[in-house]
Amino acid sequence: DSGVTQTPKHLITATGQRVTLRCSPRSGDLSVYWYQQSLDQGLQFLIHYYNGEERAKGNILERFSAQQFPDLHSELNLSSLELGDSALYFCASSSGGIAQPQHFGDGTRLSIL
Amino acid sequence: TQLLEQSPQFLSIQEGENLTVYCNSSSVFSSLQWYRQEPGEGPVLLVTVVTGGEVKKLKRLTFQFGDARKDSSLHITAAQPGDTGLYLCAGALETSGSRLTFGEGTQLTVNP
Repeated sequence: DSGVTQTPKHLITATGQRVTLRCSPRSGDLSVYWYQQSLDQGLQFLIHYYNGEERAKGNILERFSAQQFPDLHSELNLSSLELGDSALYFCASSSGGIAQPQHFGDGTRLSIL
Repeated sequence: TQLLEQSPQFLSIQEGENLTVYCNSSSVFSSLQWYRQEPGEGPVLLVTVVTGGEVKKLKRLTFQFGDARKDSSLHITAAQPGDTGLYLCAGALETSGSRLTFGEGTQLTVNP
């Protein structure tokens, strides 16, 4: 158990819809990272928050947004969903800092029908 | 072109054999991490290396970080069926803060 909790585990929805993925980091970790894992792209970095502030953005679509709340949990919002958004979405947390290891949750599997 | 080239992509061996997985790049990494992922689960951290030339051992697994911090290897001695899984290397580029860049992974199957 990594200590990172992601909900829900599975999401099935239709094109054009909006969903929210939730992540609770390990106790004491201030950094939260979101990654997308698809069959053809592997694991890709989306966005990083540290103590409530956005620190870095990767290849995140404009239809996607995230935030980190004062209690340090984070949410990833995906809107106007397309078939190609079907993937595993992982959250990872760390204490912060470049060399600090990132610990991953078990992910949310998003299926767009 | 992948920033982190991982090889081989697939590896199927017999129990008791040794194997090495490679992770190569032309870029310099501040740190590099190795993960193992099982189907339906998130990547599980195996090791973090930060110093060029560093070698870390975890039971039958030996991890090495290249002197120039551009490459890494994972060596497994006397592989067991329980070692089966997807092995991923991931590095934090010197120029990109703490975000991780992942290799494509090596799917290892150890047959009894």
